[in-house]
Amino acid sequence: SQTIHQWPATLVQPVGSPLSLECTVEGTSNPNLYWYRQAAGRGLQLLFYSVGIGQISSEVPQNLSASRPQDRQFILSSKKLLLSDSGFYLCAWSLGGGQFFGPGTRLTVL
Amino acid sequence: SQKIEQNSEALNIQEGKTATLTCNYTNYSPAYLQWYRQDPGRGPVFLLLIRENEKEKRKERLKVTFDTTLKQSLFHITASQPADSATYLCALGGDSSYKLIFGSGTRLLVRP
Repeated sequence: SQTIHQWPATLVQPVGSPLSLECTVEGTSNPNLYWYRQAAGRGLQLLFYSVGIGQISSEVPQNLSASRPQDRQFILSSKKLLLSDSGFYLCAWSLGGGQFFGPGTRLTVL
Repeated sequence: SQKIEQNSEALNIQEGKTATLTCNYTNYSPAYLQWYRQDPGRGPVFLLLIRENEKEKRKERLKVTFDTTLKQSLFHITASQPADSATYLCALGGDSSYKLIFGSGTRLLVRP
């Protein structure tokens, strides 16, 4: 069966520090991969999606970037965090139907 | 721009009753619509997908309808239980990129 992992679960970072969140998927090949951010009490905002290795589409201009170095690995990065980057970050995978989400990373930027 | 509306007020119902949640959308012609459940502090869980040429889909106690004329989907949970208490999100999709547009969700509270 397929599983999706995200880490860390919780992160507190100072403004201006770098960020790296990792997501890995097991049990499937060539999935579509997604990064979302969810602010408190709000819906999911799509940040990036990828349909293959090295293929990244950005949905929202910001100081974040994403990379897909391997088929089942998706990384979200920032060189310098802003206060507005705080939120709940979710990775998801799909083969074209429903999306399957990881447990999320709660990021607080102070 | 594309817009999805879900009732921001929580729906509070008695155990055993049917819960009905609404998802309305504008400026979009989705090929399919999906419903997810999200518990506090967790990622959403996929529940059902209904395509534009399907009027209704069922899964156990769940029923989803999709009216492309009204641009509306209704999500029903029959014989509701306290364990059904969660936030329910609808999402629209259908272009070749496999992207989804999510609503902000409706919180359901089922009283024992």
